Amino acid sequence: DVKVTQSSRYLVKRTGEKVFLECVQDMDHENMFWYRQDPGLGLRLIYFSYDVKMKEKGDIPEGYSVSREKKERFSLILESASTNQTSMYLCASSRTRTGGNEKLFFGSGTQLSVL
Amino acid sequence: GQSLEQPSEVTAVEGAIVQINCTYQTSGFYGLSWYQQHDGGAPTFLSYNGLDGLEETGRFSSFLSRSDSYGYLLLQELQMKDSASYFCAVREPTGGFKTIFGAGTRLFVKA
Repeated sequence: DVKVTQSSRYLVKRTGEKVFLECVQDMDHENMFWYRQDPGLGLRLIYFSYDVKMKEKGDIPEGYSVSREKKERFSLILESASTNQTSMYLCASSRTRTGGNEKLFFGSGTQLSVL
Repeated sequence: GQSLEQPSEVTAVEGAIVQINCTYQTSGFYGLSWYQQHDGGAPTFLSYNGLDGLEETGRFSSFLSRSDSYGYLLLQELQMKDSASYFCAVREPTGGFKTIFGAGTRLFVKA
């Protein structure tokens, strides 16, 4: 089975801090994604990457950046954390399928609290 | 871009059948997927419809009608363990491989 590992399950940071969320997958997937999940809003796409060093903005990229230096690792960076970035962050990966039926595999999530 | 709408909550009794609808507004997409998420857990893939019609996987079935911009997930012989959130999702055909999720439907299964 695919394993997507997020570095921390719970994280508490202070406003203005630079925050790094790390995600590693072990199945050589081309695509990696960062979502945030808030009650009533579902999963909202922050950034995704379809190859090493490639990145694309999702629907809510403001205040975030990403890094993909190696295929298996996709990092989410909060340049200056703010309280409205308190959320559950979910990383996912998938293999490219031309028919569109790609299956996303998710990590267990990082619950980030910004105080 | 895509917009997916689902009911926020559905309640059903054990052993019953429940249908969770998903309507979407899109200029084009590859297909409709469904994911399940238990409290405190990660979303897990359930099913995918690339073509119109019904796809069956055990107690779960999923349906897609592109002409109606509509799909649903059907859960049969409900069990308590089916209490979870269910998300529909589409993959946009532009801008890489962007997968967009609905806000989710919380299913409560009662004894």
